[in-house]
Parts: sequence; structure tokens; C-alpha cells
Amino acid sequence: QKEVEQNSGPLSVPEGAIASLNCTYSDRGSQSFFWYRQYSGKSPELIMSIYSNGDKEDGRFTAQLNKASQYVSLLIRDSQPSDSATYLCAVNIGGYSTLTFGKGTMLLVSP
Amino acid sequence: EAGVTQSPTHLIKTRGQQATLRCSPISGHTSVYWYQQALGLGLQFLLWYDEGEERNRGNFPPRFSGRQFPNYSSELNVNALELEDSALYLCASSLGGTLKAFFGQGTRLTVV
Repeated sequence: QKEVEQNSGPLSVPEGAIASLNCTYSDRGSQSFFWYRQYSGKSPELIMSIYSNGDKEDGRFTAQLNKASQYVSLLIRDSQPSDSATYLCAVNIGGYSTLTFGKGTMLLVSP
Repeated sequence: EAGVTQSPTHLIKTRGQQATLRCSPISGHTSVYWYQQALGLGLQFLLWYDEGEERNRGNFPPRFSGRQFPNYSSELNVNALELEDSALYLCASSLGGTLKAFFGQGTRLTVV
């Protein structure tokens, strides 16, 4: 079983729409969850962290966590073409103080 | 405040040679992580250093090694390079005891 799973996409949304990116993880004991954005040829950039069940909002971004369902998501409101990138979900798996990354979901926002 | 810096940006080596990659963490960060991002494979965890000690190691052969210096900077050494070692090598740092990691710009290693 893959430890952190994401749909590879691409997820295509029109400009101004809400983009919804999903991630599931295998370890029920995981406590730390992060979303990174990676533009092509660049390094990952941390955009959100979430540790408790529920929603966490930061500007146009909302992270949602449901530990019972082992599911974390990222919503991007008012999507812009500049949001087009690969979004990586990262989770601490197995109680280790290191992060396991999903393979990422490519988001394409069309003008 | 300076972010995580890595050097060199690009590195070209011949199969069988050794490569050394360097990383300077954000000031105040004691944890350094190394990841490999090969084409189509996502980020694979290599090594984690904290307070000068190796704390965890990913599923990579022993020819991947590294160290952390007293100033918390780190280097990754890859011996006996193979063609499949060609990848983007990413360093990240975090405050000790946290997982909120920030990445450097990466070193693109090409083995020919």
C-alpha cells in the first residue's frame, strides 16, 4: 500500500474557479500534514500546514484534515493561471520525524 | 533572512565518480533533510540530520552518505555514481523537533 497517495492529474480548472486537491495516507497515527507547491524545474515551496481535524484557511488556500478517514485536502479559491503547478502532499509516516511525499497532483488553471 | 542555500546548482559527473553536494540551512534551523527527486518518481527521502547526528535514513544504498557540521550545514556524498543517480537533489531545513521544512533550490546532478 502506497503511504501517501495523490491523483496525478492533471486537474484542469478555469480561472476564478475553486480547485480541490486530495490526498490520502496510510498511517492512522500521522500527526503532521503539509502542502507544497512545485513549479516545473523549481524546488517545492511550503504553502500550508495542518495538524488538527478541521479546516485551516490562509488567504485563498484552505487545508482540510480528516484523521478518521485518513484524508487531507487543499482548496484553492479564485484560481489563477499562476497557480498552475504540481501540488505535493507530505505526511509524517510511521512516527518518524521525516516527511513522506505523495507524487503530486498537477493543476492547470486556464485563463 | 536567507533561505536554504544549496551548491552547486548543477553538477555533471562521470559514472563511477564521486559527487559532493552542500547545503546551508535557514539560520536557527538544526534539522537538515536530503531528498532525491528523479524524473517521474517524486521526492524520495534520503537522510535526516539533527544536531550533528544522523537521525534517519531512507531506503538508499550505503554509497549515499553525508554529514552535518557544527554550524548545521550539511553535505551529501554519493560514491560510485550510477546513471540512475541523475536527479534533482533537494535539501530542506526545519527547526529541531518540528517537521515544517523549507527547501533549497536544489542541485541538479547529471551522471554521464
